[in-house]
Formats: sequence, structure tokens, C-alpha cells
Amino acid sequence: ILNVEQSPQSLHVQEGDSTNFTCSFPSSNFYALHWYRWETAKSPEALFVMTLNGDEKKKGRISATLNTKEGYSYLYIKGSQPEDSATYLCAFDSWGKLQFGAGTQVVVTP
Amino acid sequence: DSGVTQTPKHLITATGQRVTLRCSPRSGDLSVYWYQQSLDQGLQFLIQYYNGEERAKGNILERFSAQQFPDLHSELNLSSLELGDSALYFCASSVGGQNSYEQYFGPGTRLTVT
Repeated sequence: ILNVEQSPQSLHVQEGDSTNFTCSFPSSNFYALHWYRWETAKSPEALFVMTLNGDEKKKGRISATLNTKEGYSYLYIKGSQPEDSATYLCAFDSWGKLQFGAGTQVVVTP
Repeated sequence: DSGVTQTPKHLITATGQRVTLRCSPRSGDLSVYWYQQSLDQGLQFLIQYYNGEERAKGNILERFSAQQFPDLHSELNLSSLELGDSALYFCASSVGGQNSYEQYFGPGTRLTVT
């Protein structure tokens, strides 16, 4: 049973446009929330680990926010580029076990 | 390249057999995690070791076992293999034992059970 839900399942973005998507998780027993970027035929690559309510993290054009009280995190991509095409996974840590969402597949078209 | 290595890259074996997957963590990392990704399921956490000791257990079958050796490499043993065990098995490592640290994933071992 997946307690971690990501939406949308997939999205298509025009190059240059900005986009965002959501990870929802149980608001109780929160320890950490991870975001990963997973390109086809590669292995997941860590983007952020978020631990505090209100956390905001940024890496280049990608940023994330965290709301542990309501149980959601947003990932934002500003000015999408074709190389941003990947599946973005979030993982919720509760009691030392990571539960992964099914991912949001992002396709950026030139 | 994450610095995490896994061998073999591919493994094809028959039902009922036993296999061992190997993982070497990044230099300096003390934690090793094992994950399974099968076609019909997302990434599933199996087990974590920290500095040689089991730290957390996820959805790991009793037919599967793991260990972390003094040199910190880890092995995942899968026995009495079934067709449903066919999957991509990832190993990841992190510097600490808590999940507040970034995990670095290896390239994975693709297991096919025929």
C-alpha cells in the first residue's frame, strides 16, 4: 500500500515553461522527505532531503517546498529544459523506512 | 557516476536457484540500502545496514537475506527464486544511519528468473 502519492502521474512541458508537481504523504510520524530525479536507463539521483516543516531547498532551476503539517511537498522546475525530462520520485521516511511514490514523469519538448 | 558499484550488472537464473548480489558503497559511507524495482511496483525498500549492523527492514521476503561486511560492502542473497523475483535491484549508500542523509544509488543489478 502506497501512502505516498504523487500527482500528476505525467506531464508534458514546453521548453522554457515552468512547472510544478506534488508529493502527498502522511502528516504523522514524519522524519524526512526525499526527492530524486530518475532518468531512463540510469539510477535515481538525489535532489533534496527535507526534514523541517517550511523547508525550502533549491538546486539550480529546481526547488522544493515542504509542509509536514498538511503532508505535502511541491517540486518546481523553472524554465524547463529538455535535459529536465525524467521521472521525479519522492520518498517519505517514517520510522527509518523509505516509502516511495510512483513518480511524476516529466517530458520537456523543444 | 555516484561512486556506488554493484555487480553483476545482469543475472539470468532459473527458478529455485540462489544468487548473490554485491554492492560497494561510496568511500566514507557507512550505510547501505537495498531496493527492489519490479515492473508492477514502484521502488520498494528492502533493508538497510549501518556500519555492519541491520538498521531497518522493509518489505524483504524471508527467502532474501543481506549482510554488510567489515569493509562495508554488502551482499543481498536471494534464494528459492521465483519468477516474481525478476526485478531491478538497487543498492544505495549514505554517510549516516538516519534517513536525513542523501542516498547515492548504484547502477543496479537486473535479475531475470526463468
